[in-house]
Amino acid sequence: VIWMTQSPSLLSASTGDRVTISCRMSQGISSYLAWYQQKPGKAPELLIYAASTLQSGVPSRFSGSGSGTDFTLTISCLQSEDFATYYCQQYYSFPRTFGQGTKLEIK
Amino acid sequence: QVQLQESGPGLVKPSQTLSLTCTVSGGSISSGGYYWSWIRQHPGKGLEWIGYIYYSGSTYYNPSLKSRVTISVDTSKNQFSLKLSSVTAADTAVYYCAREIEGSYLDYWGQGTLVTVSS
Repeated sequence: VIWMTQSPSLLSASTGDRVTISCRMSQGISSYLAWYQQKPGKAPELLIYAASTLQSGVPSRFSGSGSGTDFTLTISCLQSEDFATYYCQQYYSFPRTFGQGTKLEIK
Repeated sequence: QVQLQESGPGLVKPSQTLSLTCTVSGGSISSGGYYWSWIRQHPGKGLEWIGYIYYSGSTYYNPSLKSRVTISVDTSKNQFSLKLSSVTAADTAVYYCAREIEGSYLDYWGQGTLVTVSS
């Protein structure tokens, strides 16, 4: 099983800020990583796959980077609709695993 | 546009079997190239991957749940199903069905359905 450590678990920021969320793997996964956004009462939605490829329709203020064991999701210039919970997920091996989540809240 | 919709009882008694169905529209399960997956989320917690089924019927389950999980597919109805046996309160969660591009990420999700285990 590949374990994932996502940090921080809670992030307070203001509209217009630039924020970074980290995801660290217990072993290398090349670039087999996705990021999802989840809003309260809704299903997660795919933001980024292959560590850095933006899903169609996702604003360009979202970006992903990293490979191997360390990955980052960056949101530049936060908008009000970005306040949500974010999860990383590896699809390098089974069972698929998710990070613990980062709740991005308004400061 | 692919859509997935979960259905099933919202309340299950302890020790019984939880049964959910996911109906897929806008695409055929039989077309191949996708893993039809179940994921759950305990209240206020993170996401837990349960397992998947391929259109051929091959499956993979999370080892943490493997002894209690069965996922099946009905291609004639374009549905796949989850059964979780011997449930306890710890199985109370929102259950999502989702589509994984084979060997890749989850691109479509159902809206989720809350299942509560209680007598």
